[in-house]
Amino acid sequence: AQSVTQPDIHITVSEGASLELRCNYSYGATPYLFWYVQSPGQGLQLLLKYFSGDTLVQGIKGFEAEFKRSQSSFNLRKPSVHWSDAAEYFCAVGQGAQKLVFGQGTRLTINP
Amino acid sequence: DVKVTQSSRYLVKRTGEKVFLECVQDMDHENMFWYRQDPGLGLRLIYFSYDVKMKEKGDIPEGYSVSREKKERFSLILESASTNQTSMYLCASKLGRVTEAFFGQGTRLTVV
Repeated sequence: AQSVTQPDIHITVSEGASLELRCNYSYGATPYLFWYVQSPGQGLQLLLKYFSGDTLVQGIKGFEAEFKRSQSSFNLRKPSVHWSDAAEYFCAVGQGAQKLVFGQGTRLTINP
Repeated sequence: DVKVTQSSRYLVKRTGEKVFLECVQDMDHENMFWYRQDPGLGLRLIYFSYDVKMKEKGDIPEGYSVSREKKERFSLILESASTNQTSMYLCASKLGRVTEAFFGQGTRLTVV
């Protein structure tokens, strides 16, 4: 069965530091990959998506992610985090016809 | 912009009650989903629907049912609420296979 693993449950970084959130997936076919962000008490907002083509994708709020087929990874990066980036981040893979399978999430805390 | 609206942000229900969670989307999407979100478990799919009156079980359908009588509305039903169904419930919709999902704000349900 398809699965998504986010190895880091909680990450703390200082404001202005760089960020990388890890995501590994298990999927036999070409994956459709997504990163979502969830602020406290809110629904999920799409940050970026990969369907095909260029393996480095740009998203909103200065985020980017790189698809590496050989490593089955789709890691999210940001060169300099802001206090407003504190949230929970979810990686997801498109499965079969319609469904999305989500990782467990990574909670990001920003130190001032 | 796509809008997915869940009828309640917060609900408190008693054990054994029948509970209805309503979700409406305004972009004519074929596919709609109900997820449950619990700390450390990410989002788990309860049910999804790919057309009016069509539904498929997700990963954790036990104790839940759904109804989709109109394309824009997808209801989640807890036939007899139990305390282990206390959770955040997220509704989502998507147009087709190679598209992202759009989420509602979530309903935090507490069963006492």
